[in-house]
Amino acid sequence: EVQLLESGGVLVQPGGSLRLSCAASGFTFSNYALSWLRQAPGKGLEWVSAIIGSGDNTYYADSVKGRFTLSRDNSKNTLYLQMNSLRGEDTAVYYCAKGPDGAFGRTGDYYDFWGQGALVTVSS
Amino acid sequence: DIVMTQSPDSLAVSLGERATINCKSSQSVLYSSNNKNFLAWYQQKPGEPPKLLIYWASTRESGVPDRFSGSGSGTDFTLTISGLQAEDVAVYYCQQYFSVPETFGQGTKVEIK
Repeated sequence: EVQLLESGGVLVQPGGSLRLSCAASGFTFSNYALSWLRQAPGKGLEWVSAIIGSGDNTYYADSVKGRFTLSRDNSKNTLYLQMNSLRGEDTAVYYCAKGPDGAFGRTGDYYDFWGQGALVTVSS
Repeated sequence: DIVMTQSPDSLAVSLGERATINCKSSQSVLYSSNNKNFLAWYQQKPGEPPKLLIYWASTRESGVPDRFSGSGSGTDFTLTISGLQAEDVAVYYCQQYFSVPETFGQGTKVEIK
């Protein structure tokens, strides 16, 4: 059974930093691209960042480019999102999601499995 | 970025009746090299993550009831729930994955009349 378990969501002050983790199980981790998507309270879905199966390429939404860094450790089946210079508009539930294959970039992905989400609140 | 616009924003349908949700993209999401529409539909219930219903515009995900169907091509797409059940009350989102950044519609809330 595929499982994605996010952790690291907390309350952080504006300008602060945070690292989210997503522990995966139930599939061959290195074979699949993974993404982070977020949902602000009461709002819709926004794609944030993606990484291909090998970890060699990463992609970012303009809203987080230069502030967020996505990485993966295929030996630990874990995805990481380092979030720096956080702003109030980054407040959201952050979901880790699995794509259907290892590729990403020429086109995007649909997501067949999602984690339960981690709440990040940026507030003073 | 491709803008996805859903209509209506909300709808109320009687149990057993048909619910129809529309999704329009600001540019075509049909990839000519494989003739596939890069369009997915998700269902989200309160407090839960989104659940994939449909991909490639009309391919039903494994385990999704056959009352859910997707249609359309190019820029205009439809999600149909044939015979609404109480457990179908949710917000439904379309997503284009033709280009990065992937983008979602604003969501359509489906309720029981």
